[in-house]
Formats: sequence, C-alpha cells, structure tokens
Amino acid sequence: GESVGLHLPTLSVQEGDNSIINCAYSNSASDYFIWYKQESGKGPQFIIDIRSNMDKRQGQRVTVLLNKTVKHLSLQIAATQPGDSAVYFCAEMNTGNQFYFGTGTSLTVIP
Amino acid sequence: DTAVSQTPKYLVTQMGNDKSIKCEQNLGHDTMYWYKQDSKKFLKIMFSYNNKELIINETVPNRFSPKSPDKAHLNLHINSLELGDSAVYFCASRQLSTDTQYFGPGTRLTVL
Repeated sequence: GESVGLHLPTLSVQEGDNSIINCAYSNSASDYFIWYKQESGKGPQFIIDIRSNMDKRQGQRVTVLLNKTVKHLSLQIAATQPGDSAVYFCAEMNTGNQFYFGTGTSLTVIP
Repeated sequence: DTAVSQTPKYLVTQMGNDKSIKCEQNLGHDTMYWYKQDSKKFLKIMFSYNNKELIINETVPNRFSPKSPDKAHLNLHINSLELGDSAVYFCASRQLSTDTQYFGPGTRLTVL
C-alpha cells in the first residue's frame, strides 16, 4: 500500500530563520509530489509541487527537493515568518490519480 | 466566491443516525474527492470521483457513500454513524488534466 511519512512531527524555528521539513515516501512508482499547508480550522492549501523528472523546484520563499534514490522529499521555507506557522503535509499521487498524504509536521515560528 | 464549499461546517449527531455532508465546487473541475482527517491530523483519501469513474479506498466502510447529482457536487452520505466516524471531512476538487487539488474548509463531524 501507499505510505508517506514525515521524520519530525513538530518543528520550532526563530522568525527569519530557514525551515526544512522532511518527508519519506515508499512508492517508487509515484511521479508527482505536493506540499500542502494547513492552518488551524482550514483545509489544506497547495504550496508547491514537483514531478519525478525534476530534483528541485523553487517558488516564492519555498523550495522543494526530491531525491528519488532514497525516496525523500523536503520543503525549505526561507526567512520563516509567523504566518508560516501551520501543519505541513507532503503528498504523492499514484497512477490511479489518488493522493496519499503523510502524517504532517507542525511548524511553529517563534517571534 | 469560494472555490470549494462544504456544508455544514460542524455536525454533531447521535450514534446510529444517518447524515449527509454537501460539497460544491465552482471551478468547473471534473474530479472531486473526499478525505477524512483524524484527531492526529492524518489525511486519508476516501473517494475520488469524476463523471466516468468512482474509485473507492478499500478501507472505507460501505456505510459511506458518495452521491454526485451533477458535476459540481459530490455529497457524502454516512449511514449508521459510529463513534469512530468522528473526524474532520474534507472535500476537494481538481481538473484531471492538471494536478492541483483545491480543498474545502472541512466539516467537523462529532458522533456522540
């Protein structure tokens, strides 16, 4: 079955520092990966995605890195701000167009 | 102009009851999903549906059934509610030709 896991359930960073959230996936056939941000009381919100033919993709203050050799995904947030405090999920899409989510990492930004 | 909306936002009910949660998307997407998020924030896919195919996660009890009156709606019916059904349920939609999902705000279901 599908399995997407995160290494750290919680992460605290100082405002202005960079944050790194890690994720391991198990299905080597997955070819599409997404990071979502979920704020309290809201639904998950798309942040950034990456396809398996890439190893890095950058957005505004966020970068996703994909290491297919070890089936590892990471999300880097530059200059973390208080508004970045949320739960972050990685997800993979299987060949049936279904999405499987990891367990989530709670990011707390300390002012 | 909410993209994906769900009603109700909160639902409290007794064990054994039958309830429905409604979902509507105004994005013109062709695929919709239902997810269950437990108390530990774990998000698990329950169904994906487009006008051609319903894919059911095999771990979902048959007490749960999606109903799609039209392309913009995918409602979730739950029969004989159990305590373990308490969770937050999220609807999402996506255009099959792209990959980005848009989630609704969630419905918190509490079964007493």
